[in-house]
Amino acid sequence: DAKTTQPTSMDCAEGRAANLPCNHSTISGNEYVYWYRQIHSQGPQYIIHGLKNNETNEMASLIITEDRKSSTLILPHATLRDTAVYYCIVRVGTSGTYKYIFGTGTRLKVLA
Amino acid sequence: EAGVVQSPRYKIIEKKQPVAFWCNPISGHNTLYWYRQNLGQGPELLIRYENEEAVDDSQLPKDRFSAERLKGVDSTLKIQPAELGDSAVYLCASSLEQGHEQFFGPGTRLTVL
Repeated sequence: DAKTTQPTSMDCAEGRAANLPCNHSTISGNEYVYWYRQIHSQGPQYIIHGLKNNETNEMASLIITEDRKSSTLILPHATLRDTAVYYCIVRVGTSGTYKYIFGTGTRLKVLA
Repeated sequence: EAGVVQSPRYKIIEKKQPVAFWCNPISGHNTLYWYRQNLGQGPELLIRYENEEAVDDSQLPKDRFSAERLKGVDSTLKIQPAELGDSAVYLCASSLEQGHEQFFGPGTRLTVL
């Protein structure tokens, strides 16, 4: 079973920030949060990951709450090409047994 | 750098027929994964290889599914015989090592009639 829950869908205006929430209330102390996105007819693409601290890269920012029970992916200036399904994933297991458990994701539609 | 290559991109077969999918991972990636993605769902892991060894095949339906990764590079996933419920997208991914960022191929969309 997925360890994450996400809204089914969201809309965002082009040029505005897209904030995608994720709940992972049963996350364990050593389990990372990963975000991937899947554009139609393509395989998932890695965006960002984190454990405790907030993270930022060229694509997005990841904000993880202090209790680690939820996180938010931020796309600072959404474009039409950001329309995709976004998966919040908890990487379970230990070294040698790591596994991604995908949920059903959030379908983000960026509107012109 | 070339990404993960999969073929074919699309396959339509009749039930009870065999089918095979091929994956060429990114050069140098030791870990290879096969996932199945049903419509409207996230991918589900079928099998993971570390080099040529299948180290996690707990979700692979072994009565009809088989996989191999000869020489620890390319991999083939086979279904024999296919059932209607096998219609899905089959995704291959690779990573430098287990636990690292995974790179996915475009997938093979299988339709079983």
